[in-house]
Amino acid sequence: EAQVTQNPRYLITVTGKKLTVTCSQNMNHEYMSWYRQDPGLGLRQIYYSMNVEVTDKGDVPEGYKVSRKEKRNFPLILESPSPNQTSLYFCASSSSAGAHYEQYFGPGTRLTVT
Amino acid sequence: GQNIDQPTEMTATEGAIVQINCTYQTSGFNGLFWYQQHAGEAPTFLSYNVLDGLEEKGRFSSFLSRSKGYSYLLLKELQMKDSASYLCASVSSNDYKLSFGAGTTVTVRA
Repeated sequence: EAQVTQNPRYLITVTGKKLTVTCSQNMNHEYMSWYRQDPGLGLRQIYYSMNVEVTDKGDVPEGYKVSRKEKRNFPLILESPSPNQTSLYFCASSSSAGAHYEQYFGPGTRLTVT
Repeated sequence: GQNIDQPTEMTATEGAIVQINCTYQTSGFNGLFWYQQHAGEAPTFLSYNVLDGLEEKGRFSSFLSRSKGYSYLLLKELQMKDSASYLCASVSSNDYKLSFGAGTTVTVRA
């Protein structure tokens, strides 16, 4: 089944404790992206990747890191999480970065930082 | 971003029609998506418009006017399962990035 998977689905952590949210897709997609979703603000892009070893900042990259060593994986790293990073996170992928390519979203990771 | 604006909430009755409007900034525009998101779930693709006009897909239709920076999603013959948030997203011509609106929560009542 074609899908985007994320782990963990739920995470409660404390300020400053490094964490990684994994994202994997099995559709051989070139383009991958991370979003956060907060009430009243919609989905905001954190980082995106056009292909292996190519990553770039989205609209809200502060406090996050990513890497794209393999085509299928695009982990999101929070080196020192803070309470303002409490949010619902979505990973997404599409076959290319072109305008008309729909994005497929993972199931989401709900992160709480205390 | 592309300054996407859409209503926060709409309520309609089962079997009725609802139209969700979306306005966006026209400079650097290269297409518009609509996604559906049920509570607690991931967004799923509904439609994509890049040319002016109406695209119909079963009970759902999407319209675009590039010159006016305006789109709408039309949901016909509403069903209870259509209760969800509907996200409007424009594509930038510079870098193909998606900019999402905050979403419109549609509640369908019996």
